Amino acid sequence: DIQVTQSPSSLSASIGDRVTITCRTSQTISRSLNWYQQETGKAPKLLIFGATGLQRGVPSRFSGSGSGTVFTLTINGLQPEDFATYHCLQIYSVPLTFGGGTRVEIK
Amino acid sequence: QVLLQESGPGLVKPLETLSLTCTVSGDSVSAFYWNWIRQPAGKGLEWIGRFYTNGTTTYNPSLKSRVTMSVDTSKNQVSLRLTSVTAADSAVYYCATGAAKYWGQGTLVTVSS
Repeated sequence: DIQVTQSPSSLSASIGDRVTITCRTSQTISRSLNWYQQETGKAPKLLIFGATGLQRGVPSRFSGSGSGTVFTLTINGLQPEDFATYHCLQIYSVPLTFGGGTRVEIK
Repeated sequence: QVLLQESGPGLVKPLETLSLTCTVSGDSVSAFYWNWIRQPAGKGLEWIGRFYTNGTTTYNPSLKSRVTMSVDTSKNQVSLRLTSVTAADSAVYYCATGAAKYWGQGTLVTVSS
């Protein structure tokens, strides 16, 4: 199984900050990684697919980068509605595996 | 746009079978392959397995002996069965399309006597 290590597990940030979250996989997965935002009590919402593709309707302040084993989600200019938990998911091989999640909190 | 809606009993007794349905609207169930994913309260996400409408399945090894996925094309639904449940199976259960692009809103299942 491919292990996915997500960091940090939580962070505090202010409105307008740039936030970076990283996922590392135990094997190379090309660009087969998605990023999700999950608000409390709701289902995960796809933000980034294929490591860098911005899902339709997602604000451009969200961006993804990386390939191989290291991937990054960046939020440029954090907004109030961005305070949530973020997850990465490798879809390269089954079993699909998630990172542990990153909770983004208000500083 | 594809909309997914999970449904099923919210409470299941220990050692019984959990049965959930995911109803698809906006497209045919046959247009996708399907995943089931779960999330225990306050914890991370766990992939349960994948189902292709040709009947091919791949399950998480940790659950493989207890999981069955199926499709009812006449109702545009996919289903999940998990046998011999314990409290550790209490979670919000989600269905999602093949590359996990579209997700249902999830359904909470509690295992308790």
